[in-house]
Amino acid sequence: AQKVTQAQTEISVVEKEDVTLDCVYETRDTTYYLFWYKQPPSGELVFLIRRNSFDEQNEISGRYSWNFQKSTSSFNFTITASQVVDSAVYFCALSVYSGAGSYQLTFGKGTKLSVIP
Amino acid sequence: NAGVTQTPKFQVLKTGQSMTLQCAQDMNHNSMYWYRQDPGMGLRLIYYSASEGTTDKGEVPNGYNVSRLNKREFSLRLESAAPSQTSVYFCASSPGLVPRNTGELFFGEGSRLTVL
Repeated sequence: AQKVTQAQTEISVVEKEDVTLDCVYETRDTTYYLFWYKQPPSGELVFLIRRNSFDEQNEISGRYSWNFQKSTSSFNFTITASQVVDSAVYFCALSVYSGAGSYQLTFGKGTKLSVIP
Repeated sequence: NAGVTQTPKFQVLKTGQSMTLQCAQDMNHNSMYWYRQDPGMGLRLIYYSASEGTTDKGEVPNGYNVSRLNKREFSLRLESAAPSQTSVYFCASSPGLVPRNTGELFFGEGSRLTVL
């Protein structure tokens, strides 16, 4: 069975601070994919990033960066110089192939980030 | 580009009433999914359909039925709604077994259901 743990339920930071959202995953599959989704107050789920299990290179996209470490089964997300628009619930998710052409996506419980002006 | 479309976006039901949430995707995806989102619980898989003609239970299937009407459409039915089914429901789709499929899901905008 797959499991995703986001230990931080809620985080508050002051604007321009850096913040790291933690994600720890569990799976026995050797091939898997990791995702981060953002859910702003409007409610839709916005895809941020996808990483596969064979690519441990860290990735940077503007103020966002992701640190994937297989040794610790972690896929952490850092926002640099946070802005009010970053306020949202962030979900980490793990995808593994479940047969018959389907992938099972298991979500963490989410971390609510509040950026205070 | 519509992507994944869910209807209705909001619904209020009384306990015991039935209703169907509709989902359609225009991306020619093989696999479709229904999730529910509850505060502090993240998203949990209710049912999924790997391909047209097949459906399987997810993590929380009790109280729900699904129909994969055709490749585009995947409906979720509550036969006798209960207050515990008050939630936000998300439909999603993925390409399925195609080259380079990476398991990414494409989500609809969600349907907020309240059962009184």
